[in-house]
Amino acid sequence: AAGVIQSPRHLIKEKRETATLKCYPIPRHDTVYWYQQGPGQDPQFLISFYEKMQSDKGSIPDRFSAQQFSDYHSELNMSSLELGDSALYFCASSLGTPGGAYEQYFGPGTRLTVT
Amino acid sequence: EDQVTQSPEALRLQEGESSSLNCSYTVSGLRGLFWYRQDPGKGPEFLFTLYSAGEEKEKERLKATLTKKESFLHFTAPKPEDSATYLCAVHSGGGADGLTFGKGTHLIIQP
Repeated sequence: AAGVIQSPRHLIKEKRETATLKCYPIPRHDTVYWYQQGPGQDPQFLISFYEKMQSDKGSIPDRFSAQQFSDYHSELNMSSLELGDSALYFCASSLGTPGGAYEQYFGPGTRLTVT
Repeated sequence: EDQVTQSPEALRLQEGESSSLNCSYTVSGLRGLFWYRQDPGKGPEFLFTLYSAGEEKEKERLKATLTKKESFLHFTAPKPEDSATYLCAVHSGGGADGLTFGKGTHLIIQP
């Protein structure tokens, strides 16, 4: 079965640079979520989109923005990168309206290293 | 604020030694409780969703149960390939989309 695709899988950036992470949800899934997982930490919810509109916002820094496109893929844009932004970034997708307890399927993640 | 507490933090078992992981939660209206398996450097892999107290689900050597305050993930005769971190997450009724995760239980099954 098709899974969530994320690119790139690894990314190295310097402080104050920008980064763009991409996510391609499971076909027919209409909701995309972004999570950040620091070393030894649990995943923290950043932001979600349903039918190309922002649905919910978690602990996403103002330096980050995201959007969902007409083909349902999503991009997370990160600017003015800081050392503390080094983490695994996961995208997840689900089928269903926001607020419903639908299973979220996670991608393999993008490992971002800021030097 | 939603809270999820998992115990123990780490567990080492012998192959075939059955045991359970615990997930205690405090949420404002539970919409769903999820169990995931995560291998190092990989994305969480969905295992189960539980929606209401008394519900049970099984898959191979795993069985998940739910009460009004906690959930258990029971391993029957685990194998070394079951070694991983197991994450519990809740989706609350506050209208938020994001899952709130526990810190996870790092499980090691020794041959």
